[in-house]
Amino acid sequence: QSALTQPASVSGSPGQSITISCTGSSNDVGRYNYVSWYQQHPGRAPKLLISEVNRRPSGVSNRFSGSKSGNTASLTISGLQAEDEADYYCCSSTSSNTHVFGTGTKVTVL
Amino acid sequence: EVQLVESGGGLIQPGGSLRLSCAASGFTVSGSYMNWVRQAPGKGLEWVSVLYTGGMTYYADSVKGRFTISRDNSRTTLFLQMNSLRAEDTAVYYCARDSVWGSGTFDIWGQGTMVTVSS
Repeated sequence: QSALTQPASVSGSPGQSITISCTGSSNDVGRYNYVSWYQQHPGRAPKLLISEVNRRPSGVSNRFSGSKSGNTASLTISGLQAEDEADYYCCSSTSSNTHVFGTGTKVTVL
Repeated sequence: EVQLVESGGGLIQPGGSLRLSCAASGFTVSGSYMNWVRQAPGKGLEWVSVLYTGGMTYYADSVKGRFTISRDNSRTTLFLQMNSLRAEDTAVYYCARDSVWGSGTFDIWGQGTMVTVSS
């Protein structure tokens, strides 16, 4: 159950778009369309941003979008805002009926 | 209001045991796939365990054989019994509801409870 691989950090200027990758294997990301993304601000619980690869829960800004190709999923944040500065985690279901999170990505708004 | 509230964390010596609780309001834990997720200080999220509506349980390899997930008959409280605790179990423990049957769609999270394993 190795963690999914994410870049340690991504940065962008306000208004720009950034993309965070999440690479797993054929036993997790590549196996099911069960990839979710979470935003976590310091000292706070994670917040669901995207479920099932590209579904956005009610109340989540449409600036957040998800996709998947093979064993790699991606989260795109468009129109970057100061409030988007946080840690982001992907999560995938696995063939063992478990879940695995990504290593996490710190997003910095320049 | 739909929410989860964890309790039971604290300082425990290596080798000791602790039971965490997660109280649900606005829904029943027995009607949802309920999970525990932890986060060591300054580290990323780690999935720990899931309890299905039908009673099946699954665990991360790092806690298998030491931790047990369960729920009470009132259908409103989730538990995590942690035995043989190690320093590496030190973390904030969150309970989370999976709203789409095993998909990892953790839509509701508690505020977390801190567990510190140290002598």
